[in-house]
Amino acid sequence: DVKVTQSSRYLVKRTGEKVFLECVQDMDHENMFWYRQDPGLGLRLIYFSYDVKMKEKGDIPEGYSVSREKKERFSLILESASTNQTSMYLCASSFPRTEQETQYFGPGTRLLVL
Amino acid sequence: EDQVTQSPEALRLQEGESSSLNCSYTVSGLRGLFWYRQDPGKGPEFLFTLYSAGEEKEKERLKATLTKKESFLHITAPKPEDSATYLCAVQANFNKFYFGSGTKLNVKP
Repeated sequence: DVKVTQSSRYLVKRTGEKVFLECVQDMDHENMFWYRQDPGLGLRLIYFSYDVKMKEKGDIPEGYSVSREKKERFSLILESASTNQTSMYLCASSFPRTEQETQYFGPGTRLLVL
Repeated sequence: EDQVTQSPEALRLQEGESSSLNCSYTVSGLRGLFWYRQDPGKGPEFLFTLYSAGEEKEKERLKATLTKKESFLHITAPKPEDSATYLCAVQANFNKFYFGSGTKLNVKP
């Protein structure tokens, strides 16, 4: 069964803090993604990774960085959190180069930056 | 410009009242179209993947169809537990996914 987990369901941080969001998948997927979801804006891609230590910017990478040291783990880092980064963060993974490139999502982390 | 548009934004149905949700897309080189269900405060749950025009897939009361320009999610005799937001996503090329804003479905008993 497909399983993507995220380290926290809810987080409250203060402006300027460094924030780490972690995502782990147990499906041996090569691709992993970080999105944020905001009302009226839908899902927007922040970063994705297609292999260990590889990363590509998505549509809104400003203010974020990522790390992928192991295949199963993809971390999103907010170097200095700001109030406009309050959002729902969703991690996803997929297996490329097959017909089944479906993305499977984690439960999400709701981040509040005060 | 590649984009995905879902309609309606919100839909209220009585239990048992069948209807359809629409996902229209303009992308170059469609690799796949995906339907997800999302409950409040949770991550999207995968429902279907469609790859070519004419393809259909079913799961319980849900049936997804695909044409060259749009996809429909048909809901037959819905129940209150079908209430959720339904998201459509399109894969245009390698690792390029476009999501619609979703249709919020409310099924009243």
